[in-house]
Amino acid sequence: AQKITQTQPGMFVQEKEAVTLDCTYDTSDPSYGLFWYKQPSSGEMIFLIYQGSYDQQNATEGRYSLNFQKARKSANLVISASQLGDSAMYFCAMREDNAGNMLTFGGGTRLMVKP
Amino acid sequence: SAVISQKPSRDICQRGTSLTIQCQVDSQVTMMFWYRQQPGQSLTLIATANQGSEATYESGFVIDKFPISRPNLTFSTLTVSNMSPEDSSIYLCSVDQGVGDTQYFGPGTRLTVL
Repeated sequence: AQKITQTQPGMFVQEKEAVTLDCTYDTSDPSYGLFWYKQPSSGEMIFLIYQGSYDQQNATEGRYSLNFQKARKSANLVISASQLGDSAMYFCAMREDNAGNMLTFGGGTRLMVKP
Repeated sequence: SAVISQKPSRDICQRGTSLTIQCQVDSQVTMMFWYRQQPGQSLTLIATANQGSEATYESGFVIDKFPISRPNLTFSTLTVSNMSPEDSSIYLCSVDQGVGDTQYFGPGTRLTVL
């Protein structure tokens, strides 16, 4: 079974609107971390936001917030007030504490922001 | 977060040759990671490199094909050996730091094998 699933291969959003990118995960490890990365066409991987499995509150970083629903095993990324520069691939990733520090990545979602 | 550089940023190589990719970090780190991203795909971990010990390879990756060196706490190399067109990928190194052992990535090496 896939550990990280991103069901939206591509999405469009109008500039200045909010968008939600979906991510579901599968683990039996009680301690884990969830991450979102942005990959523009240049290829670099840019860290956006982190959520720990024991964190009580949803993580926020500027225009990024993570909608963490532990019982549903989902960790959706919300981008508010989309900008043209947000057009990129977005990857959800998980680190399971019992599996060392390796990251497992989802298949990614390509976000395109329309002017 | 750490500043990570990689060399080369891109290369075009002939099949059967080898390429060594360098990863330099501006601070000392215990673990460094090497990932491969094939065209249109997600990232896959190749190996974890600890200073002073042999790298730990993930399933599907072997030392003969992807030898790794880790001579000190700020530097690592990944060699892609006996290349074929299927090795055309972006290769990224990363280190973990800070909250949640977040992994920060270098800018990547874009490799094309003809």
